[in-house]
Amino acid sequence: GAVVSQHPSWVICKSGTSVKIECRSLDFQATTMFWYRQFPKQSLMLMATSNEGSKATYEQGVEKDKFLINHASLTLSTLTVTSAHPEDSSFYICSAREVEGGDTDTQYFGPGTRLTVL
Amino acid sequence: GQNIDQPTEMTATEGAIVQINCTYQTSGFNGLFWYQQHAGEAPTFLSYNVLDGLEEKGRFSSFLSRSKGYSYLLLKELQMKDSASYLCAVLDSNYQLIWGAGTKLIIKP
Repeated sequence: GAVVSQHPSWVICKSGTSVKIECRSLDFQATTMFWYRQFPKQSLMLMATSNEGSKATYEQGVEKDKFLINHASLTLSTLTVTSAHPEDSSFYICSAREVEGGDTDTQYFGPGTRLTVL
Repeated sequence: GQNIDQPTEMTATEGAIVQINCTYQTSGFNGLFWYQQHAGEAPTFLSYNVLDGLEEKGRFSSFLSRSKGYSYLLLKELQMKDSASYLCAVLDSNYQLIWGAGTKLIIKP
């Protein structure tokens, strides 16, 4: 089946630094990738939709200058949390949707990246 | 390897009951989640089970058997709005989420 990976799995950083999280579709091409944020036992909150070769679409309330998204290829999207602060500590999850050949409504989810900002 | 299995698609009738099964093989276990996802929307949290047994929340119930690596989501009094994909996800020993591919539930009048 379709596999999505994220790197790193865990990251601890100091306040004020920037952190980059990678999301890769391992065995399929994804024109669209999604970035979510999850708080414990809560629904996933969509942060932005990333389309290959174009600018990401951010959800209301998500600062695009703070959460930089790049979708440079059909298998890679990156989320950079700039000038991270403790309130940015969370579980960040990406998902990817296949280019064609599969159910266009199906998203494949990554394992998540746990960010802790000290 | 780590694996989560759930049926690809199920069909049920409005007003009826449906059970969506999920079996898992993971390196460690720190809980199992069920999410509902309507097309084009973010997954909505339904339940979290970490101990064996049944947890009921309104029309939805979730059951877990850790010894069997098995969970199910039970939906009662089905409504048309319950048509969605239902995702099973397990938190492994590294606190990483292992996702099932989702079960597309189709409700017919």
